[in-house]
Amino acid sequence: KAGVTQTPRYLIKTRGQQVTLSCSPISGHRSVSWYQQTPGQGLQFLFEYFSETQRNKGNFPGRFSGRQFSNSRSEMNVSTLELGDSALYLCASRLDSEQFFGPGTRLTVL
Amino acid sequence: DAKTTQPPSMDCAEGRAANLPCNHSTISGNEYVYWYRQIHSQGPQYIIHGLKNNETNEMASLIITEDRKSSTLILPHATLRDTAVYYCILTNSGYALNFGKGTSLLVTP
Repeated sequence: KAGVTQTPRYLIKTRGQQVTLSCSPISGHRSVSWYQQTPGQGLQFLFEYFSETQRNKGNFPGRFSGRQFSNSRSEMNVSTLELGDSALYLCASRLDSEQFFGPGTRLTVL
Repeated sequence: DAKTTQPPSMDCAEGRAANLPCNHSTISGNEYVYWYRQIHSQGPQYIIHGLKNNETNEMASLIITEDRKSSTLILPHATLRDTAVYYCILTNSGYALNFGKGTSLLVTP
């Protein structure tokens, strides 16, 4: 069974731009969570989607948004990028009690 | 804020058991203890989880104290590939909300 895939793996943007990251969960998994990882703040929860509904949201500004499609694939969008948004963005899918993480998207904001 | 406390770093000799402690004195009755690890630049990997009973799988053992205020992850025969950051997490929803800083485990030859 294929694992969680994230695209793109690397991305370079400039301040003020927006970006969309994609996550394809493991087949059959309906829960997708997103995380931001930075050296200073560590791994922080962004939001969780289940069956196209956002069920939980972390403490991030409204510039961070997401959605989930009927096939459970998920996207997250960051608008008006800031230098501090440079990070590894991870998504994880879950069927039952175990989260499976993707390799992440490394976003660099210049 | 993290609800768990872990030592920032630990060393272990290859082939020996690695015992990683975690304190969670404010754990709620319905919260599970989960352990994940993250090898440099990769996504975290699930290891094991438990509620109140000790658990064992092919990767590790999890020992939870009777009062559930602390736990220990045991890697019985550490290898160099076990070098990683280990996170102890509490959750009642099945997904992690707060990873904290974790313990950086270095396995040495």
